[in-house]
Amino acid sequence: DGGITQSPKYLFRKEGQNVTLSCEQNLNHDAMYWYRQDPGQGLRLIYYSQIVNDFQKGDIAEGYSVSREKKESFPLTVTSAQKNPTAFYLCASSVSTGRSRPQHFGDGTRLSIL
Amino acid sequence: KQEVTQIPAALSVPEGENLVLNCSFTDSAIYNLQWFRQDPGKGLTSLLLIQSSQREQTSGRLNASLDKSSGRSTLYIAASQPGDSATYLCAVQVQETSGSRLTFGEGTQLTVNP
Repeated sequence: DGGITQSPKYLFRKEGQNVTLSCEQNLNHDAMYWYRQDPGQGLRLIYYSQIVNDFQKGDIAEGYSVSREKKESFPLTVTSAQKNPTAFYLCASSVSTGRSRPQHFGDGTRLSIL
Repeated sequence: KQEVTQIPAALSVPEGENLVLNCSFTDSAIYNLQWFRQDPGKGLTSLLLIQSSQREQTSGRLNASLDKSSGRSTLYIAASQPGDSATYLCAVQVQETSGSRLTFGEGTQLTVNP
């Protein structure tokens, strides 16, 4: 079945450590997105990519980095510069960033600090 | 900057009751508005998408309306069931200089009691 796979489901980070969250899609979508969700809050956009080798910052990009070397993969690195990384991270994809192209979501990765 | 607000933040109702969830947005220049469902620890499932030129959309027991000029949308759930218990998020799609993006509300946590 086509879909979006995020791994791992749970991730723990030590102080000063970088961690990378995986997002893979087999929907042949050009656009991919990373969101952060804090308890009781909606989703905030971290980064998005419209096409391979291209990405733009969202509202809360500081302390995060991404790459888009392959169409199906959009990994997110949470760097040590992100001082409050504990959150639920969601990856999404869509055919494009064009009008009314629905986004499909993965099941998320929960990141916690040790 | 577009802001999306959802009221109430939480709602608890007995099974069988009809209910309304509210969503408001500050900038009426939207492409569309979507309602999503999120189960605990899971990603988002799209329920309804209303284009900016439409007034409402229906799917089964769900009906969503859109009044773009006043910046409001409602999600009506008929004959609620315990299986409807989840967090409901609304999001508006807006145009950016680099593609379009979704802006989310903070969600309404719904509990339907048997």
